[in-house]
Amino acid sequence: EAQVTQNPRYLITVTGKKLTVTCSQNMNHEYMSWYRQDPGLGLRQIYYSMNVEVTDKGDVPEGYKVSRKEKRNFPLILESPSPNQTSLYFCASSARDIYEQYFGPGTRLTVT
Amino acid sequence: AQSVTQLDSHVSVSEGTPVLLRCNYSSSYSPSLFWYVQHPNKGLQLLLKYTSAATLVKGINGFEAEFKKSETSFHLTKPSAHMSDAAEYFCVVSLQVGDMRFGAGTRLTVKP
Repeated sequence: EAQVTQNPRYLITVTGKKLTVTCSQNMNHEYMSWYRQDPGLGLRQIYYSMNVEVTDKGDVPEGYKVSRKEKRNFPLILESPSPNQTSLYFCASSARDIYEQYFGPGTRLTVT
Repeated sequence: AQSVTQLDSHVSVSEGTPVLLRCNYSSSYSPSLFWYVQHPNKGLQLLLKYTSAATLVKGINGFEAEFKKSETSFHLTKPSAHMSDAAEYFCVVSLQVGDMRFGAGTRLTVKP
């Protein structure tokens, strides 16, 4: 089954404790992206990657890092999480020539 | 720059009555437009998409949307609401692969 998976689905952590949210897709998509969803703001793009070893900032990159060492994986790293990063995070992927993105199930992160 | 405005943050309808969720977009060029739906505690599912073909687009679950360039609108409609349609709906504009701009969302409530 074609899908985007994220782990963990739920995470509660404390300020300053480094964490990684994994994202993996099995559709051989070139493009991958991370979004955060906050009430009343829709989804805002954090980082995106056009292909392996190619990443770029989205609209809200501060406090986040990403890497794209393999085509299928695109982890999101929070080196020193803060409470304002409490949010619902979505990973998405798409093929090079298709606008439509496929979304993962989401990761709900709480930073206390 | 491209952007999208969802004109209603919350829409409430009775079961069996029509649904209208409004979306206006701003784009320098001919965009691709999407509607995604998010059911409570779920990920995002594509309802329908417009990519410069027919201006009236039919999607899943009886939804459709009409692209009106003169009005820069892409409103989502359904003739008869079901209880299962209660969800958050996002209008999305895209000019290139991976660059998706989300509206703030419209929460649809369906009353019995």
